[in-house]
Amino acid sequence: NAGVTQTPKFQVLKTGQSMTLQCAQDMNHEYMSWYRQDPGMGLRLIHYSVGAGITDQGEVPNGYNVSRSTTEDFPLRLLSAAPSQTSVYFCASNGGAATNQKKAFFGQGTRLTVV
Amino acid sequence: RKEVEQDPGPFNVPEGATVAFNCTYSNSASQSFFWYRQDCRKEPKLLMSVYSSGNEDGRFTAQLNRASQYISLLIRDSKLSDSATYLCVVNEAGGFKTIFGAGTRLFVKA
Repeated sequence: NAGVTQTPKFQVLKTGQSMTLQCAQDMNHEYMSWYRQDPGMGLRLIHYSVGAGITDQGEVPNGYNVSRSTTEDFPLRLLSAAPSQTSVYFCASNGGAATNQKKAFFGQGTRLTVV
Repeated sequence: RKEVEQDPGPFNVPEGATVAFNCTYSNSASQSFFWYRQDCRKEPKLLMSVYSSGNEDGRFTAQLNRASQYISLLIRDSKLSDSATYLCVVNEAGGFKTIFGAGTRLFVKA
């Protein structure tokens, strides 16, 4: 059972570089989200998607883009990396509107350092 | 005001102790509630869902008070392996957004 797969697990970027964090799920979940986690801050929602072709901003969207061309994939793009984007990034999915499908499944996280 | 607020940690308790975590949420339209556990440098994992009638899973008991917009988690007979961060999680109406509290760190000591 693959669940939610994130790549890469670790990444170091120079300021100004761009990159894409990959996220894929094989559970046919409607909803997918990206979070960042910083010490003492908990998980903060960056962007989310309620289905293919539909995305929306979360709490901290600036500096990030997303797209959802398929149900399975939800990549997160850093347009021009900044040291403030050093964080641990988690991708999550959940089944959608049915009450028993709302629990979130997480990828293993991407530890990003911007120097 | 944060959408989901939790007790500030850390909690340091001896093995066998009972410990309670509290959480409040601001959106009265929220529909689903959960407690997640996160171990150091790992992804969060579902501990248990929280139902209005209250629910129990072994040593863990969760309560929800919709009128007060309050959620709790009680851990009885704490084990060393319970040491982790506990995240209060609220899912908004329609399931579109899942909001996490900042987490409460628990240390259980021998």
